[in-house]
Amino acid sequence: DTEVTQTPKHLVMGMTNKKSLKCEQHMGHRAMYWYKQKAKKPPELMFVYSYEKLSINESVPSRFSPECPNSSLLNLHLHALQPEDSALYLCASSPPTGRDGYTFGSGTRLTVV
Amino acid sequence: DAKTTQPTSMDCAEGRAANLPCNHSTISGNEYVYWYRQIHSQGPQYIIHGLKNNETNEMASLIITEDRKSSTLILPHATLRDTAVYYCIVRSNDYKLSFGAGTTVTVRA
Repeated sequence: DTEVTQTPKHLVMGMTNKKSLKCEQHMGHRAMYWYKQKAKKPPELMFVYSYEKLSINESVPSRFSPECPNSSLLNLHLHALQPEDSALYLCASSPPTGRDGYTFGSGTRLTVV
Repeated sequence: DAKTTQPTSMDCAEGRAANLPCNHSTISGNEYVYWYRQIHSQGPQYIIHGLKNNETNEMASLIITEDRKSSTLILPHATLRDTAVYYCIVRSNDYKLSFGAGTTVTVRA
């Protein structure tokens, strides 16, 4: 298995809702990442997990809460989002050194209404 | 990580080689050059990376100048499916892969 699987592919949520994005990989990669991509812009790094521990938080607002329950799973919990948080959320994984290429999922397209 | 400069866009004829330039004049000795591409509505796809030697894989070739201040990604026989945004990224040995604006490559029949 050489893929990163993200679910759901599309999500519409209200500003008072709580939802979660899920990311899964079975390549044995011990580093996992969340990126946010607005339309016609490059992806922006949000969080990095290394060996299931949060190693980088790029000053992301607390309404985004990451979780890495095991080495294959990465979640992004969403609460009280704003319409400007609407974007494509991408998950990626890489071998532990981070030097090799990252494998990205196809993303979850989130719309906040 | 050092900044990179890429042309905003370029066109390429199908079946011809596509040469994508990238300037990274402030690169330091331990920083690698990475190339990714993103086809519309998909996640970015890793293409190739290198430190100072030229590299080739099944997708592309990476040519890095001797002073390492610039590099060129070569797609040897471009197809319509190579139409994408191509990102040149310079990074050191950490987990921060930061994307710049990239080059929008359009392959025309």
